[in-house]
Amino acid sequence: ILNVEQSPQSLHVQEGDSTNFTCSFPSSNFYALHWYRWETAKSPEALFVMTLNGDEKKKGRISATLNTKEGYSYLYIKGSQPEDSATYLCALDPGGTSYGKLTFGQGTILTVHP
Amino acid sequence: GAVVSQHPSRVICKSGTSVKIECRSLDFQATTMFWYRQFPKQSLMLMATSNEGSKATYEQGVEKDKFLINHASLTLSTLTVTSAHPEDSSFYICSARVGFHADTQYFGPGTRLTVL
Repeated sequence: ILNVEQSPQSLHVQEGDSTNFTCSFPSSNFYALHWYRWETAKSPEALFVMTLNGDEKKKGRISATLNTKEGYSYLYIKGSQPEDSATYLCALDPGGTSYGKLTFGQGTILTVHP
Repeated sequence: GAVVSQHPSRVICKSGTSVKIECRSLDFQATTMFWYRQFPKQSLMLMATSNEGSKATYEQGVEKDKFLINHASLTLSTLTVTSAHPEDSSFYICSARVGFHADTQYFGPGTRLTVL
């Protein structure tokens, strides 16, 4: 069973601040790491899927990095806006015969204050 | 594109009744759909994998006779909670991927089930 930990559990920042949070996992074999943004009453939105050590992906003001050797991924938000307020989830895909069977962390709740 | 809907969004039922939740891929065909549930203050937990035209596979600890999954078409999977009890009250959410080898999963908005 993969153990995926996210920190911090919640985060309050001011509009314009840049922020980052962490997803930690056993640095054992897995296929991919996913990041999702989940706003209340909406569907989780896929942000990134990363598979390779050293992967860096960017979508607008949001970017993510992956370090498979040390077992962590960072999600960065530059110049946070109130509309960035959401729960950010990471999930591991073990691959192989369990391809697609995601194990999620508990999420980081981000609140951006105007 | 890649929109997944779920119906109903919220359901309240009496103990002992059965509840059906639908998961639809609106603009793509999904050979594989996944069902997750989330209890308060916990992570999303995978319950089962639904494959079009074949039996679902269930995760350890999930009763297949209680949580019936049907994936009869490439755009629809249903989860039926049979003889629901208060401990089945939870948030149920489905996901689908565009192709068998597609990494990204697209999620529905979820269904809040409350069993009285």
